[in-house]
Amino acid sequence: DQQVKQNSPSLSVQEGRISILNCDYTNSMFDYFLWYKKYPAEGPTFLISISSIKDKNEDGRFTVFLNKSAKHLSLHIVPSQPGDSAVYFCAASLNTGFQKLVFGTGTRLLVSP
Amino acid sequence: SQTIHQWPATLVQPVGSPLSLECTVEGTSNPNLYWYRQAAGRGLQLLFYSVGIGQISSEVPQNLSASRPQDRQFILSSKKLLLSDSGFYLCAWSRARVRNQPQHFGDGTRLSIL
Repeated sequence: DQQVKQNSPSLSVQEGRISILNCDYTNSMFDYFLWYKKYPAEGPTFLISISSIKDKNEDGRFTVFLNKSAKHLSLHIVPSQPGDSAVYFCAASLNTGFQKLVFGTGTRLLVSP
Repeated sequence: SQTIHQWPATLVQPVGSPLSLECTVEGTSNPNLYWYRQAAGRGLQLLFYSVGIGQISSEVPQNLSASRPQDRQFILSSKKLLLSDSGFYLCAWSRARVRNQPQHFGDGTRLSIL
């Protein structure tokens, strides 16, 4: 049972444009959501997160939006840069005294010059 | 600042051989520690987590085990590797007893079983 889904395996965007990566989840008990970026042969790097009490969090070029009623979150990258080309994973957390992350399968972003 | 180290970066092992992957964290105390596996084309699957020395919880039944002999050391082991154990293994840490904290990952070990 895939509780966190990233339905787009890949996305291509031109440099300077907006990249929008999407993620859907099924468990309404998730209360914390994260985005990670991963380059080949490296571990995922934490990008940005959002608590379920918010609907938007911004950090520089990265903004995460959370729509709890739709069980949907998205990551906006503006403007996109070639160095943003990587695999992006969304993750959701269920805090039951211990924070367990459930990851999506990832979206490969390619930003072309 | 905190750092996390994993080794080796790549490993090729025959079926039936033992395994030991090591992970250490620096710059923090009493972290929560995690082992994940990423199979090809899939997301990260949590294998084990630990909230303290000697405290290990397993998320999925499998051929692997984990140990935490010291506060900032986490070891993933197997007595006899299977072909299905191939994958990319990642260690991670997070601050303990604090809500809504990200997990921070090492650079992983690529394990190939022949």
